[in-house]
Amino acid sequence: DVKVTQSSRYLVKRTGEKVFLECVQDMDHENMFWYRQDPGLGLRLIYFSYDVKMKEKGDIPEGYSVSREKKERFSLILESASTNQTSMYLCASSHIGGLAGYQETQYFGPGTRLLVL
Amino acid sequence: AQTVTQSQPEMSVQEAETVTLSCTYDTSESNYYLFWYKQPPSRQMILVIRQEAYKQQNATENRFSVNFQKAAKSFSLKISDSQLGDTAMYFCAFMYSGGSNYKLTFGKGTLLTVNP
Repeated sequence: DVKVTQSSRYLVKRTGEKVFLECVQDMDHENMFWYRQDPGLGLRLIYFSYDVKMKEKGDIPEGYSVSREKKERFSLILESASTNQTSMYLCASSHIGGLAGYQETQYFGPGTRLLVL
Repeated sequence: AQTVTQSQPEMSVQEAETVTLSCTYDTSESNYYLFWYKQPPSRQMILVIRQEAYKQQNATENRFSVNFQKAAKSFSLKISDSQLGDTAMYFCAFMYSGGSNYKLTFGKGTLLTVNP
């Protein structure tokens, strides 16, 4: 079974703090993603990475950065946390399969609920 | 840009009955995938079912089936013989199948409650 783990289930931080959210997958997946989930808004893509050291902005990258130094690990960084970044953060990963390089199903981690005071 | 619309923020159903969750999407692409994901309360998001747009046959997975109407851009999920464990938030999602665009676009979700 695919396993995607996130370093914390719950985090409480203060405004202005630098926050690191870690995600690790154990299936050698090429793609990794960070989403933010808010009530009534569904999931919105923050950043994704299709290879080590490669990243692409999603729909809402402002205020966030990412790091992927190893294939299995994808970090989301809030350089200076703000109260409007209080949310649930979901990590996901997926494999690139077949000759045409299509993306297979995305598998999600359990989420990190972040509260910024 | 693709958009996914789930018009039912909340639904409820009695145990053992059948319920249908609706989803519509908007895209100019012809090759894509559609998904239904389930997120139980305080638990991990898991894939329920997946449909390739080029396949005319509707996907089924045990008690879960879809009604995929490509021309109408509709992708509804039917849950038969509902169980208490089906209580969850359900998200419809779209993904373009070509190139290097790996993004999933999600709807806002439908909260389904199965009542005993």
